[in-house]
Amino acid sequence: AQSVTQLDSQVPVFEEAPVELRCNYSSSVSVYLFWYVQYPNQGLQLLLKYLSGSTLVKGINGFEAEFNKSQTSFHLRKPSVHISDTAEYFCAVTSNTGNQFYFGTGTSLTVIP
Amino acid sequence: NAGVTQTPKFRVLKTGQSMTLLCAQDMNHEYMYWYRQDPGMGLRLIHYSVGEGTTAKGEVPDGYNVSRLKKQNFLLGLESAAPSQTSVYFCASSPGLAGDLRDTQYFGPGTRLTVL
Repeated sequence: AQSVTQLDSQVPVFEEAPVELRCNYSSSVSVYLFWYVQYPNQGLQLLLKYLSGSTLVKGINGFEAEFNKSQTSFHLRKPSVHISDTAEYFCAVTSNTGNQFYFGTGTSLTVIP
Repeated sequence: NAGVTQTPKFRVLKTGQSMTLLCAQDMNHEYMYWYRQDPGMGLRLIHYSVGEGTTAKGEVPDGYNVSRLKKQNFLLGLESAAPSQTSVYFCASSPGLAGDLRDTQYFGPGTRLTVL
């Protein structure tokens, strides 16, 4: 079975500052990792995903994440945040041998003007 | 394209009542999913379907039933609602091309359900 842990439930950051949202996973098999974003009162949309290949994954809106197998992490980063990045961010995991899809508990990013 | 739509947007039930939530997608996706979202718990998979006529249990299936009679629709039923089922319910769909759950999921806007 797989699981993901998002240690930070809330992250406040000033506009134009960099941000890192942390995600750690546990799995005994190869995993696929995802970051989804949920804007207020909306459904989720994909930011980026890691399936295989390069461990640095670039997504939409200037976000990127790095898959680190030795540290079982998939942290999300953005070098300079905007007010419009205020949202809930979810890390998620599945595998090619599994039949389940697991989301983390989410990190609420608030960008302060 | 409307993408993924959910009906209704809001609903209030009394304990013991039943209801059905409808999810529809117009992207010809094979896979469809039902999640519930609760504060501090993220999204949890209830049931999913890998094709018309098929369903499978997710992480939290108890108290729910689903049906996929048509490829574009995925119904979630509550036979006897309980206060613990108060939640926001999201439907999603994905192409299913890889044969597993790695495809991008496209989410509907959600249904807010309150059980009194």
